[in-house]
Amino acid sequence: QVQLVQSGAEVRKPGSSVRVSCKASGGTFDSYTINWVRQAPGQGLEWLGRFIPVFGTSQYAQNFEGRVTISADQSTHTFFMEMTSLRSDDTAIYFCARSGVGRTYWFDSWGQGALVTVSS
Amino acid sequence: QSVLTQPPSASGTPGQRVTISCSGSASNIRANTVNWYQHLPGTAPKIIICRDDQRPSGVPGRFSGSKSDTSASLAISGLQSEDEGDYYCSTWDDSLNGWVFGGGTKLTVL
Repeated sequence: QVQLVQSGAEVRKPGSSVRVSCKASGGTFDSYTINWVRQAPGQGLEWLGRFIPVFGTSQYAQNFEGRVTISADQSTHTFFMEMTSLRSDDTAIYFCARSGVGRTYWFDSWGQGALVTVSS
Repeated sequence: QSVLTQPPSASGTPGQRVTISCSGSASNIRANTVNWYQHLPGTAPKIIICRDDQRPSGVPGRFSGSKSDTSASLAISGLQSEDEGDYYCSTWDDSLNGWVFGGGTKLTVL
């Protein structure tokens, strides 16, 4: 049974940064990607980017290129999403989710979500 | 502004059939398969339809999906109170080179 367990809630001030972790267990991850998706209050789901373990590379949504860094400690199956220059509209629940590498796959397992609150 | 367009709300009474539409373009829905997620309050999203019309193991047969050209639809028959929540369509966009979502449709069971 695949399980993704995320780190806890964070509170940050505008202009600062935050790092959220996602530890994977119970399945194979080398042939999958770990994605990061967020949901702001009252808003829909938004894809931030992904880490591709088989290539050891990251890929980002255009809106977040340069402000988000997605990385991994593959030895412990732990994945990270760091966001810098935080703004109040970055307040959201951040999810990690597993999917296959290709375009015909889907997010089949999700973390429980981590609330990031950006407030002065 | 979401890349994929969904109606903000839908509703039905128990037992009814409800459909939710998802409109996109040649670079996303036409070119790639569509997935649908159910997001209930306080939980993580859950896949209910993958690859346009496939139901993952454990998803009731009341849920079905279809796609034509640049649009996709999710149908829920025999509506139940526990179906109340948000539904999102999603696919890969070749122009943006990333996953995109619809804005979500809030389903209310009256």
